[in-house]
Amino acid sequence: GENVEQHPSTLSVQEGDSAVIKCTYSDSASNYFPWYKQELGKRPQLIIDIRSNVGEKKDQRIAVTLNKTAKHFSLHITETQPEDSAVYFCAAIFSGSARQLTFGSGTQLTVLP
Amino acid sequence: DADVTQTPRNRITKTGKRIMLECSQTKGHDRMYWYRQDPGLGLRLIYYSFDVKDINKGEISDGYSVSRQAQAKFSLSLESAIPNQTALYFCATSDKTTSGSYNEQFFGPGTRLTVL
Repeated sequence: GENVEQHPSTLSVQEGDSAVIKCTYSDSASNYFPWYKQELGKRPQLIIDIRSNVGEKKDQRIAVTLNKTAKHFSLHITETQPEDSAVYFCAAIFSGSARQLTFGSGTQLTVLP
Repeated sequence: DADVTQTPRNRITKTGKRIMLECSQTKGHDRMYWYRQDPGLGLRLIYYSFDVKDINKGEISDGYSVSRQAQAKFSLSLESAIPNQTALYFCATSDKTTSGSYNEQFFGPGTRLTVL
C-alpha cells in the first residue's frame, strides 16, 4: 500500500555537525515531498518542500534531495545548532490517496552542545 | 496574525463518552484537515474537507465523524470514545490549489485527548 518510511527514528549529532534524515516512498507517481519540523510541545511547521521536477532544493542550512528512480528523498541540515533539536516529519502525496499527504513516522533530532 | 486555533487544548474523558474537538481558522483557507499523532506513527489523516459541502474520509476515519459548520470551522467528534483514541489531535488548513500544485498546510496547536 501507500507508505512513507523514515529513518532513523532518533538521531543525535554534535553542534556544528551535519544531520541527514532519509525517507523512501512506495508510489512512483508521487510528485510532492514536504518536510515539517515539530519542536517540543509545538505544532508541526513546514520547513522545506520539493517537487518531482527538481533534484535538490536549498534554503540556508537546510536542503532536500530527491532521487525519483530510487524513490527516496532526504533532508540535510548543515552546521547544526541547538534550536534544530525537534522531531522532523517527511511526507509525500500519493496518487491513490485522493492526493492527500502521507507522513513518515518522524525523526527525533537532538543537537548536543 | 491569521491563525488556526483548537479547543480544548487538553481533555480527559471516560470510555463511552461523546466528545467534540473544535477547530477555527482566520486564514481564509478553504481546505481543512484533522490528523492524529501517536508516538512512532507520525501524523495520520482522519478526515478532510475542501469546502463546506465537501467532506472526505482519510486513512483512519473509523470511530470519528466531522462537521464543517462554516468555511472557518471544522469539528471532530468521537461518538463513543475508547482508550485507543488517546492521542494528540491536530487540525490543519491549506489554501486551495490550482491543478497539479500543492500548498503548505498550517497546523493548529493541537488537542491532547486522554480516554480512560
